[in-house]
Amino acid sequence: RKEVEQDPGPFNVPEGATVAFNCTYSNSASQSFFWYRQDCRKEPKLLMSVYSSGNEDGRFTAQLNRASQYISLLIRDSKLSDSATYLCVVDLNTGFQKLVFGTGTRLLVSP
Amino acid sequence: DAGITQSPRHKVTETGTPVTLRCHQTENHRYMYWYRQDPGHGLRLIHYSYGVKDTDKGEVSDGYSVSRSKTEDFLLTLESATSSQTSVYFCAISESFKETGEETQYFGPGTRLLVL
Repeated sequence: RKEVEQDPGPFNVPEGATVAFNCTYSNSASQSFFWYRQDCRKEPKLLMSVYSSGNEDGRFTAQLNRASQYISLLIRDSKLSDSATYLCVVDLNTGFQKLVFGTGTRLLVSP
Repeated sequence: DAGITQSPRHKVTETGTPVTLRCHQTENHRYMYWYRQDPGHGLRLIHYSYGVKDTDKGEVSDGYSVSRSKTEDFLLTLESATSSQTSVYFCAISESFKETGEETQYFGPGTRLLVL
């Protein structure tokens, strides 16, 4: 079983749609969780951290369910510029920051 | 912008030749990392450094070595390049959020390496 699993997609949605991505992780000792965004042929960039209480940043909402070892990202009112690959990332809390990356979920937003 | 640059940005080389990739940062970060990214895999850690001359292996370190003689530079060397090392290589640094103290990583622009 992979340490971090994501649906690779692609998710094809029209502008203005709401779309949700899910991610599961296997290591229950994981302490920190993140969503990164990666555009084609570019480096991953931090989108947001994920907290147990859930957190929101504009159109983006991230949630963590520790009991189910599940992380989600909700994007409301999708824009063309949201088209990218979204990486679910988990910090294994091993003493140095060992991040484990999912393979990503690809989102395509069309006009 | 975490002030990370990588060089070269693109390289084509032949099997069996040594290759060195450079990561340079300008903000005095202690931790630096080298990853590779391949289709069907998430980013995988090759080596990391926790200070000058302090380095350790990641999950895919075979065939790679690193050096860090200055805080700002972290070098990745493919001792004898193989076609399986064709990949995109990303350097990263750790930085803490001022508000929470939580750490996360920021990436350089990447180096695309093709080994023929």
